Amino acid sequence: SAVISQKPSRDICQRGTSLTIQCQVDSQVTMMFWYRQQPGQSLTLIATANQGSEATYESGFVIDKFPISRPNLTFSTLTVSNMSPEDSSIYLCSVGTDRNTEAFFGQGTRLTVV
Amino acid sequence: GDSVTQMEGPVTLSEEACLTINCTYTATGYPSLFWYVQYPGEGLQLLLKATKADDKGSNKGFEATYRKETTSFHLEKGSVQVSDSAVYFCALSSGGFQKLVFGTGTRLLVSP
Repeated sequence: SAVISQKPSRDICQRGTSLTIQCQVDSQVTMMFWYRQQPGQSLTLIATANQGSEATYESGFVIDKFPISRPNLTFSTLTVSNMSPEDSSIYLCSVGTDRNTEAFFGQGTRLTVV
Repeated sequence: GDSVTQMEGPVTLSEEACLTINCTYTATGYPSLFWYVQYPGEGLQLLLKATKADDKGSNKGFEATYRKETTSFHLEKGSVQVSDSAVYFCALSSGGFQKLVFGTGTRLLVSP
């Protein structure tokens, strides 16, 4: 298993500002992902964070809005840029060590944009 | 694209009652199916999984059977406990276990 520390756990931000969310894993992992859970909605995959290269974004998500870094095999950040109230969601980091093993999730970051 | 539909909550039960949370899916190919659980204040944890048709996943008294003919993966438990109160997510993966498509989640509330 993997222990994931996600920071901050929650934040209230002003519209137009940006917030960077950190995801730290206690061991090296192959795969790191970022999900969004809007109020009353499913978890939706934002992107796959690739170590040493640009993230792979899902349809509907773009790098300018959600820049992602992954400098090594244990750490990644997601930035929510130029925030609006529609960005109010829970953002979750997920990791996997192997294609055929389960994914592990952080506790999430609850973001409120006012 | 792939999608998961699960029953809306909250589901409110008394302790020792039977539980069923319905989950159906739409996917190309042959996905793997999962139930994740999120206890209050905690992250998502894998509850059980099934990787092919007719497989039954089970854990902590919960069961779910992969039904290809009805594209369903309903979660069941014969006798729920207060400690089972949580949000339950049905999910599928078509390409590796880590990239998941989730349902909206169902909140279960069990009272003594």
